[in-house]
Amino acid sequence: DAGVTQSPTHLIKTRGQHVTLRCSPISGHKSVSWYQQVLGQGPQFIFQYYEKEERGRGNFPDRFSARQFPNYSSELNVNALLLGDSALYLCASSSPGRNSPLHFGNGTRLTVT
Amino acid sequence: GIQVEQSPPDLILQEGANSTLRCNFSDSVNNLQWFHQNPWGQLINLFYIPSGTKQNGRLSATTVATERYSLLYISSSQTTDSGVYFCAVAVTQGGSEKLVFGKGMKLTVNP
Repeated sequence: DAGVTQSPTHLIKTRGQHVTLRCSPISGHKSVSWYQQVLGQGPQFIFQYYEKEERGRGNFPDRFSARQFPNYSSELNVNALLLGDSALYLCASSSPGRNSPLHFGNGTRLTVT
Repeated sequence: GIQVEQSPPDLILQEGANSTLRCNFSDSVNNLQWFHQNPWGQLINLFYIPSGTKQNGRLSATTVATERYSLLYISSSQTTDSGVYFCAVAVTQGGSEKLVFGKGMKLTVNP
């Protein structure tokens, strides 16, 4: 079975632009989460979606938004990009149930210039 | 919020040596995972271990939830073990469960 897939793998944007990152979960997984990892730090929680509804949101500005589609894939959108948004964006999925491990994709490396 | 502390922050080993990574957390958690992040950024699941001990080849992990710590053991280290190791704890926030990561431990294994 395929793991969590993310696209694109790399992206370069300029300040003020908008970006859309995409994620396909492992087949059968209904929960998708997004994390941001800046250089030298551990990943930080941005969003969790389950059954197309936002279930949780981390401490990120409203420029960050996401959605989940009927096939459980997800998009992360970031508006008005800042230099500080440069990071590795990781998507993770988990199977239904409270205590299920998260499985991460390979990430999208975003550079804002 | 919950604090997750990993030690040591960095470690340099010679191939064949053993090592122990420690993860302390400040509050009760739903579960705990250990990850290895390779130089390309891929986060690889090593263990899902809310409590007890698990072993997978040269790696093993122990979590003592009542004392709020977990240990990751790497035996007979190889150069391919190099990378950053993260401990992450799962906590409930509102209606969701999120992972809170430590800052990671950079392991370098020299041939």
